[in-house]
Amino acid sequence: QVHLVQSGPEVKKPGASLKVSCNTSGYPFITYPLSWVRQAPGRGPEWMGWINPANGDTTYAQKFQGRVTMTTDTLTSTLYMDLRSLRSDDTAVYYCARVPSGSVLYFDIWGQGTMVTVSS
Amino acid sequence: SYELTQPPAVSVSPGQTARITCSGDSLPSHYAFWYQQKPGQAPVLMIYKNTERPSGIPERFSGSSSGTTVTLTISGVQAEDEADYYCLSVDDTVSYEGVFGGGTKLTVL
Repeated sequence: QVHLVQSGPEVKKPGASLKVSCNTSGYPFITYPLSWVRQAPGRGPEWMGWINPANGDTTYAQKFQGRVTMTTDTLTSTLYMDLRSLRSDDTAVYYCARVPSGSVLYFDIWGQGTMVTVSS
Repeated sequence: SYELTQPPAVSVSPGQTARITCSGDSLPSHYAFWYQQKPGQAPVLMIYKNTERPSGIPERFSGSSSGTTVTLTISGVQAEDEADYYCLSVDDTVSYEGVFGGGTKLTVL
């Protein structure tokens, strides 16, 4: 069975950096791209970008370019997301999600979410 | 920026049919996907590639597409279907980016 298990909740101050991890299991890690999606309180999901674990290629949403970095560790089947220069409006639940197609962007399996609070 | 438009809320009585629409200019060119989200939970894929239903999703959930609008139909709505529903597609006007609709709150009366 496929599982995506994320790291625990975070509280950060404005201007700080964040690193969230997502450990995958139940399938060959390099087979499918992975994405990060966030959801602010009371809002809809927002796509942040995706990474191909087979070669490390990334595409980030324009909104986050320059502030986000997505990486993978193929030895541990783990996905990471770094977000810098945090602001209060980065407060959200951050999800990792598997992309079951190399050519069509959608998500079939999601992590449980990581609550990130940015507050002074 | 590209937007997918959904009605904020839909209400139906148990056993009735609920239809949730999602409109976007690029939908004739790109697939749409539907997610169900209950409070405190991650989204769950309900429909992919406009009309396909993943294994394990009840047959009462179906998807359709016509022009710039895609529709999620729930036939014989049950109380457990009360949730937020989001459509997903892509915007490739500048780069290839995922875009979610604003969401529709389905209330089962």
